[in-house]
Amino acid sequence: GENVEQHPSTLSVQEGDSAVIKCTYSDSASNYFPWYKQELGKGPQLIIDIRSNVGEKKDQRIAVTLNKTAKHFSLHITETQPEDSAVYFCAAILSNDYKLSFGAGTTVTVRA
Amino acid sequence: DAGVIQSPRHEVTEMGQEVTLRCKPISGHNSLFWYRQTMMRGLELLIYFNNNVPIDDSGMPEDRFSAKMPNASFSTLKIQPSEPRDSAVYFCASSLAGVYNSPLHFGNGTRLTVT
Repeated sequence: GENVEQHPSTLSVQEGDSAVIKCTYSDSASNYFPWYKQELGKGPQLIIDIRSNVGEKKDQRIAVTLNKTAKHFSLHITETQPEDSAVYFCAAILSNDYKLSFGAGTTVTVRA
Repeated sequence: DAGVIQSPRHEVTEMGQEVTLRCKPISGHNSLFWYRQTMMRGLELLIYFNNNVPIDDSGMPEDRFSAKMPNASFSTLKIQPSEPRDSAVYFCASSLAGVYNSPLHFGNGTRLTVT
């Protein structure tokens, strides 16, 4: 099955700086890559996703890039704010599947 | 919409007791998932329902775990008897259709502690 590795496990950044989280996947057939943000005491929430037919997607301060050849994808958060502090999960899935393979998560702390 | 609603938010029980977790998916969603989250194993898919029918229960850890979806607006996850290693946060999630073509919406989870 699919194996998703996520790095780093923790990330501390100064408010206003950028944060980057990287994930690699093992199954080259995977073609949908969502990112989830989990705040304390809440369930994961989808924040952005990318499909294999594009290399980059942006939504305001967050962006995701995908390198299919290298089988890795990354989340970029620019101009970080305290409300960006949370655990972020990457995931991967094939188009005909329903079982998301999640990374282990990255705890992001934005220092004021 | 109120989102996916789970109850209770917290459950503390003694080993050997029966535990029932409840979930109300978003109206109109035909896919429902139960996940378990622990520090050691991360997010694990326990069972997936499509149109109220269990499609894949291969993630259910043991026969002590069972799940039902009697109608489109309600699902339960039952653990009988419960054990300390079942302590985790259990999430219910729903989507319009699967995962690939529609976003997955998670509830806020039930934190289960078995002593």
